[in-house]
Amino acid sequence: NAGVTQTPKFQVLKTGQSMTLQCAQDMNHEYMSWYRQDPGMGLRLIHYSVGAGITDQGEVPNGYNVSRSTTEDFPLRLLSAAPSQTSVYFCASKAGGPFTNIQYFGAGTRLSVL
Amino acid sequence: AQSVAQPEDQVNVAEGNPLTVKCTYSVSGNPYLFWYVQYPNRGLQFLLKYITGDNLVKGSYGFEAEFNKSQTSFHLKKPSALVSDSALYFCAVRAQRRSNDYKLSFGAGTTVTVRA
Repeated sequence: NAGVTQTPKFQVLKTGQSMTLQCAQDMNHEYMSWYRQDPGMGLRLIHYSVGAGITDQGEVPNGYNVSRSTTEDFPLRLLSAAPSQTSVYFCASKAGGPFTNIQYFGAGTRLSVL
Repeated sequence: AQSVAQPEDQVNVAEGNPLTVKCTYSVSGNPYLFWYVQYPNRGLQFLLKYITGDNLVKGSYGFEAEFNKSQTSFHLKKPSALVSDSALYFCAVRAQRRSNDYKLSFGAGTTVTVRA
């Protein structure tokens, strides 16, 4: 019963490097999203997708890119890492429709940018 | 715009005592309200939700929350706290008005410490 799987769990980058955070779900959920968690700020939405081929920006999208070529996968790309992107990143998914409101979260990726 | 306020960064209680974690929200129209819990080095886990109906909602692990529309609050409660309830708790809201708008707004979180 995998649910939402994120890889890697930890990553250290140098400023300017690029990388992709992977997220996969096996629940056939239509909706997927990426959040970052910073102390004292809760979770802030980076990007989200309501289905394969459809993505949109959340409240803090700058410096990040996403794509959704399949229902299962929703990778998050850091184009040129900056120290301000040091954070814990969570991927979440939920079934479509207005009444299926529970989001399921992955275990997170801890990213440090030096 | 929608937002959530959790006025207490930390809540400390003794085991066996009642636990309350406060949450107020702002949203246009009627809200969907949620509580999530995060244990160390883990993702968020769903505790309970308010969609419509009874203002007192019961959830996992003996937690409950009361929706108060006039005070725009959704406080989380547990009658008798356990040491294992020590964790970070998040309140979240989204508006009901659009069925295809699933974006949640989270509060900053409240760290609960239950001492033995």
